Amino acid sequence: EADIYQTPRYLVIGTGKKITLECSQTMGHDKMYWYQQDPGMELHLIHYSYGVNSTEKGDLSSESTVSRIRTEHFPLTLESARPSHTSQYLCASSRLTPLRWYFGPGTRLTVL
Amino acid sequence: QQQVKQSPQSLIVQKGGISIINCAYENTAFDYFPWYQQFPGKGPALLIAIRPDVSEKKEGRFTISFNKSAKQFSLHIMDSQPGDSATYFCAASIWQTGANNLFFGTGTRLTVIP
Repeated sequence: EADIYQTPRYLVIGTGKKITLECSQTMGHDKMYWYQQDPGMELHLIHYSYGVNSTEKGDLSSESTVSRIRTEHFPLTLESARPSHTSQYLCASSRLTPLRWYFGPGTRLTVL
Repeated sequence: QQQVKQSPQSLIVQKGGISIINCAYENTAFDYFPWYQQFPGKGPALLIAIRPDVSEKKEGRFTISFNKSAKQFSLHIMDSQPGDSATYFCAASIWQTGANNLFFGTGTRLTVIP
């Protein structure tokens, strides 16, 4: 249904590695979001963007960073991954009229 | 602080029964209340949503009941089916700092027994 894509879907890496989680959407939405979700648990907003060159931190403090150079692309980067970063990361975008969020399939990250 | 409180945490229902999930909120500035369905390994998908000026919305077997004065809303799944087994999240949206932000409940894991 949703034209929002995330890669990779699964990632297992060692501590200290730098990683980038990719998110792209083809719907032309200005607003994009990153949520962190432990399996079966609630979603916590970690970053969002109003549009190109705009990034804001969400409610949950995160050591990750994001960038928004193009409307359709909103990557998330961890400079030095730690086991505490193990989680599922969900990317989303939203339209205003009518209001609706669209979620990607998620990236399940495991840091050993 | 949990902006949206959801219960129960888990629910087991017989096939054909009614599943009811409840949510409550405090911030009266919330103006959009969606429900999401999430299967394992997938992102949440919009199931049904309501605005606070409407008391009920029905789409197929899914109904949202909204009580503005009590600041509560609930999801009713009629004639529950095994394929409905998933985690359900209620959410509430508010316009903040130039964007609509979405706050989620803690989720309800629904299991429908054949």
